Amino acid sequence: DTAVSQTPKYLVTQMGNDKSIKCEQNLGHDTMYWYKQDSKKFLKIMFSYNNKELIINETVPNRFSPKSPDKAHLNLHINSLELGDSAVYFCASSRGDSDYGYTFGSGTRLTVV
Amino acid sequence: GDSVTQMEGPVTLSEEAFLTINCTYTATGYPSLFWYVQYPGEGLQLLLKATKADDKGSNKGFEATYRKETTSFHLEKGSVQVSDSAVYFCALNTGNQFYFGTGTSLTVIP
Repeated sequence: DTAVSQTPKYLVTQMGNDKSIKCEQNLGHDTMYWYKQDSKKFLKIMFSYNNKELIINETVPNRFSPKSPDKAHLNLHINSLELGDSAVYFCASSRGDSDYGYTFGSGTRLTVV
Repeated sequence: GDSVTQMEGPVTLSEEAFLTINCTYTATGYPSLFWYVQYPGEGLQLLLKATKADDKGSNKGFEATYRKETTSFHLEKGSVQVSDSAVYFCALNTGNQFYFGTGTSLTVIP
């Protein structure tokens, strides 16, 4: 199936740990994104990345870092996890033109205890 | 700056009621407009879109018309079902950036 897939779907971990969330898209899209969705369903862009440029939302702590081994993958690494990092994280991809929407993964629910 | 404003929820309707979720936008140029739906425990799915003024997007009984004169893209459905219970996001794509509204939670009761 063509899609944006992210793993794991659920992640429970202790404060201070380092964790990664993986994302892969087989849609041939040029740009990938990470969003954070809080408990009130508000979506916040964290990163956007294509082959040429990484754009970081300046409000994102530097404990968060995207890693892109190739055009089809954009992984999210989080160091020194904090309680406030608990949220649902969505990966998305797009073709990059305005007529086209984003395609989202199904989300990773991160719980920091 | 560019932005999207949508009505706050939650919205609770009885089955077969008429639904309107308001969305207005601020943008320079000619953005494309979208509605996304998020069912419980799932990611966002594209529901419908319109790429230019007066276009009407439609899908699954939902409709929205791109109104440049009122800078609006209100979502409507004539008769909602329990299965429509979800969070709905209005969104705007300028080509440089994508802007999401804050989401409107809809619950449809039998």
